[in-house]
Amino acid sequence: EDQVTQSPEALRLQEGESSSLNCSYTVSGLRGLFWYRQDPGKGPEFLFTLYSAGEEKEKERLKATLTKKESFLHITAPKPEDSATYLCAVRGLIQGAQKLVFGQGTRLTINP
Amino acid sequence: DTGVSQDPRHKITKRGQNVTFRCDPISEHNRLYWYRQTLGQGPEFLTYFQNEAQLEKSRLLSDRFSAERPKGSFSTLEIQRTEQGDSAMYLCASASNSQETQYFGPGTRLLVL
Repeated sequence: EDQVTQSPEALRLQEGESSSLNCSYTVSGLRGLFWYRQDPGKGPEFLFTLYSAGEEKEKERLKATLTKKESFLHITAPKPEDSATYLCAVRGLIQGAQKLVFGQGTRLTINP
Repeated sequence: DTGVSQDPRHKITKRGQNVTFRCDPISEHNRLYWYRQTLGQGPEFLTYFQNEAQLEKSRLLSDRFSAERPKGSFSTLEIQRTEQGDSAMYLCASASNSQETQYFGPGTRLLVL
């Protein structure tokens, strides 16, 4: 069965202090790996889709990378407004399987 | 493109009552999904529609849960005889046939007393 594990569970950084969030996955063939941001009480907001090892995507202070076993979300010089829970999800290649399998998320807090 | 919308945003009910939630997907998105999320966890898949056909259901979807998408546009999720364990955020997502990315709505937070 497809599985996703995110680490750390929670991370506190000072404003401007760069870091990385990890997403380890096991999947029966990868159809896509997805990163979402979720603010308290709201639905997940789409950030990136990655399809194959070696692929990278960037958006403002965020950069997502993908290997055959894990993905990293790099946050460069974060600001307090980057505080949120970051969710990683995978979709496997099992025929007919449409669902995303999510990790438990990393709660990121950026202190001013 | 106004995004995925869900109604209501919050629902408080007593144990044993029935509740129904509505999801309006992004227009022209053929695929619609329901997920459930409890505090501190990632969303868990419940069910999937391709147009009006319900093609995939999770083992989490007990016989007290039923979902419909009668005209291939909006969808409803009904929970009968609610239990305290049903308290969670219920999320709807939609996607087009040409893309893998699922876009989520704001969710309906259910509290069963």
